Amino acid sequence: AQKVTQAQTEISVVEKEDVTLDCVYETRDTTYYLFWYKQPPSGELVFLIRRNSFDEQNEISGRYSWNFQKSTSSFNFTITASQVVDSAVYFCALSEERRGSGTYKYIFGTGTRLKVLA
Amino acid sequence: GAGVSQSPSNKVTEKGKDVELRCDPISGHTALYWYRQRLGQGLEFLIYFQGNSAPDKSGLPSDRFSAERTGESVSTLTIQRTQQEDSAVYLCASSLVMRHEQYFGPGTRLTVT
Repeated sequence: AQKVTQAQTEISVVEKEDVTLDCVYETRDTTYYLFWYKQPPSGELVFLIRRNSFDEQNEISGRYSWNFQKSTSSFNFTITASQVVDSAVYFCALSEERRGSGTYKYIFGTGTRLKVLA
Repeated sequence: GAGVSQSPSNKVTEKGKDVELRCDPISGHTALYWYRQRLGQGLEFLIYFQGNSAPDKSGLPSDRFSAERTGESVSTLTIQRTQQEDSAVYLCASSLVMRHEQYFGPGTRLTVT
């Protein structure tokens, strides 16, 4: 079954600490897409990154980095030198094709609430 | 360009009334999604459109919920005979094509009294 697990419900760190948000997924397909979204206190979800299943290269964008490992079905997100503005709920998501239909199914994890304390 | 917009931003209604929520996706986006988010909870998938077709309606919580989309544009989510448990934020998102990232609107906060 298609599934996304974010086992960490809430994480609190002190500003400038590094923090990693875990995401483990399950899929039967060889072609799929993984995403991270951020939902700040204002409420509007913001897209952060998309990865397809054929691209296992890690990605770095400023203080953000993502580690995609197919061997462990994980797509973890690390924030380096966290800041108060990073406080938000972060969602991991998986999209895979509905067999033979050409349409895609999206599954979101339950989210990890990150609190960065000054 | 303009992002996804939703209206109204807030809606308070009495139990038993019907409500209609509107979503304007990003121009050119073929896929459109509706989600429900209860306070402090994750995203509950409701329905998606590919063009104006909705291949999967299994996420709709009950037959009181329905949605339609005009072409590859505006979508409306209708809740009939609202119940208190319908109170939530209803989020709309669109994407260029289905496998791409979704862009979310600000949501409609529905309160059923």
